[in-house]
Order: sequence, then structure tokens, then C-alpha cells
Amino acid sequence: AQKVTQAQTEISVVEKEDVTLDCVYETRDTTYYLFWYKQPPSGELVFLIRRNSFDEQNEISGRYSWNFQKSTSSFNFTITASQVVDSAVYFCALSEPLTGGGNKLTFGTGTQLKVEL
Amino acid sequence: DTEVTQTPKHLVMGMTNKKSLKCEQHMGHRAMYWYKQKAKKPPELMFVYSYEKLSINESVPSRFSPECPNSSLLNLHLHALQPEDSALYLCASSPGLAGVYEQYFGPGTRLTVT
Repeated sequence: AQKVTQAQTEISVVEKEDVTLDCVYETRDTTYYLFWYKQPPSGELVFLIRRNSFDEQNEISGRYSWNFQKSTSSFNFTITASQVVDSAVYFCALSEPLTGGGNKLTFGTGTQLKVEL
Repeated sequence: DTEVTQTPKHLVMGMTNKKSLKCEQHMGHRAMYWYKQKAKKPPELMFVYSYEKLSINESVPSRFSPECPNSSLLNLHLHALQPEDSALYLCASSPGLAGVYEQYFGPGTRLTVT
């Protein structure tokens, strides 16, 4: 069975601080896919990144960066110079393909990030 | 265009009512999903449609009835709901091709059952 653990329930930072959100996963598959989604108060989940198990390169997109380490089964997410607009719940997810198309996401419990002025 | 739309945004219904939630996407995706999300919890998968056929039902009670009239539309028919069914209902879509692709989510319908 697949499992995603986000041990940080809530994090509060002051604007411009850097913050790292932790994600640890468990899977028996040799090929797997990891995702991060952002859910602002409006409710819509916004896709941030997809990473497959063969690609261990770290990714940077603007103020966002991701550190994927297979050795520790972790896929951590860092926001540099946080802003109030980054306040949201962030979900890490593990995915498996479904027979016939589509895929099933196993979500972590989410980390509520609050960025204050 | 990576937009998934959902209507209505909010819905209040009594336990004897019948209502429907609607989801639409025009990205050419062939997999569509319904999720239920309670407050401070992650989304829980309810149904998956692939190429307009129901492929996954995660043991959802029969008072929830999904329908996929065509490749762009997904409905969720509601009947005789219970107060504990109050939640945010999210629709999502993905290409549906073999392999794993990101799902794009709609803004959700906030359902309150009285």
C-alpha cells in the first residue's frame, strides 16, 4: 500500500522567511510519481509539480524548489522569501496508474502554511 | 486552457431533496474524477471515469450517483443525503493516457445537507 506522511500540520512564518515543507512517502513500486498541490482558502487544488522516481534532479521554479531524495523517501518543498499569498494548505501526493486510464492519488494529510506580515 | 469548471459553487439541500453537481472540462482529457473533502482533511477519491466509463467506485454509498454524458461533462447526482455528507466536492480531470499525469481540479462545490 502507498502512504504519504506530512508530519508538519501547521507552520507559521513571517513574510520573506524561507520555509520547507516535508513529505515522506512509502511505496513498493519501483516506478512511481510524486506531486505537490496547493489549496488556497478558495478551495481549488492547484498543481505545482510532478516528479517521477527516475528523475532525482532537484527542481526550481521561481521562489519554489523541490528536493527529491530516494535514499530517504522524501520529496520536500521549499518556498524562498515567502509571501502572504503563499498562505494555503499544501498537499504532497503519490500516484499510481489505473488500468484503463487515469491515476489514483494518495494524499498526505497536508500542511497549513500561514505567512504573516 | 487548464480550466475545470464546477457548478454550483454552493449548495444547501435537505435530506429528502434531489440535486446534481456538474463538472466540465475542455482540455480533451479522457479521465475525470470526483473527490470528497471534509474540513482539514485531504481529498478522498470517490469515482473515476475513463473514456466515459466508470472505472473506479471507492465503495461510495448509492445515494451518490455519478454520470458521464460525454467526454467533457461529469455529473454527480445526489439523493437522500445525510448531514455527514456535507463537504467540499471536487472534480478533476487528467489526460487519461497510459501512465501518470497531473490532475487538474475545479474550484469545488461546497455542499451543506440540512
